[in-house]
Amino acid sequence: QVQLVESGGGVVQPGRSLRLSCAASGFTFSDYGMHWVRQAPGKGLEWVAVIWSGGSNKKYADSVKGRFTISRDNSKSTLYLQMNSLRAEDTAVYYCAKDPGVRYYFDYWGQGTLVTVSS
Amino acid sequence: QSALTQPASVSGSPGQSITISCTGTSSDVGGYNFVSWYQQHPGKAPKLMIFDVHNRPSGVSNRFSGSKSGNTASLTISGLQAEDEADFYCSSYTSNTTRVFGTGTKVTVL
Repeated sequence: QVQLVESGGGVVQPGRSLRLSCAASGFTFSDYGMHWVRQAPGKGLEWVAVIWSGGSNKKYADSVKGRFTISRDNSKSTLYLQMNSLRAEDTAVYYCAKDPGVRYYFDYWGQGTLVTVSS
Repeated sequence: QSALTQPASVSGSPGQSITISCTGTSSDVGGYNFVSWYQQHPGKAPKLMIFDVHNRPSGVSNRFSGSKSGNTASLTISGLQAEDEADFYCSSYTSNTTRVFGTGTKVTVL
């Protein structure tokens, strides 16, 4: 069965960097686009970024453009989110989510990893 | 990209039907039949309930149905049950190939 397991969250000071990982299993990772979605404490869902299956095409939300970088290693079935210049408003649970393939929804989600940006 | 607009809360008694709206623009909801809906219980990951406006994934109850008119999509839950109490979010594909979520609706079963 499809499993997505995020890791790498924690407490980080403003202006510092953090890299999240999402280990995928149960499907052919290289065939599908992948997303990061975040949720600030007590708030709604916010789409963050997408990477196409091959890794060449990427898109970002305006709120993270220029600071976050989405990437993937298809040989390791792992998705990444490099987060630089972190701000307090980046504090959230970060979910990775699978794209069903040339479709426009999220069919599987990980359990999330909490990132807290605080001095 | 601004969030899609949903009512903050909707409530109903067991057995009743409720409808949650999701209003966007012609650049997202109105421009594509790519609206999806997600249910999220406290402390849990979101779960896909509806995709492509009105399609249900395998395993999702047929009490959940979706529709769209113009720039507004809707999710209807019929025969409301206690287990339906959760937060619901709509999402849409957008004209710049990104995604956008709704503001979220808390469903309360009275």
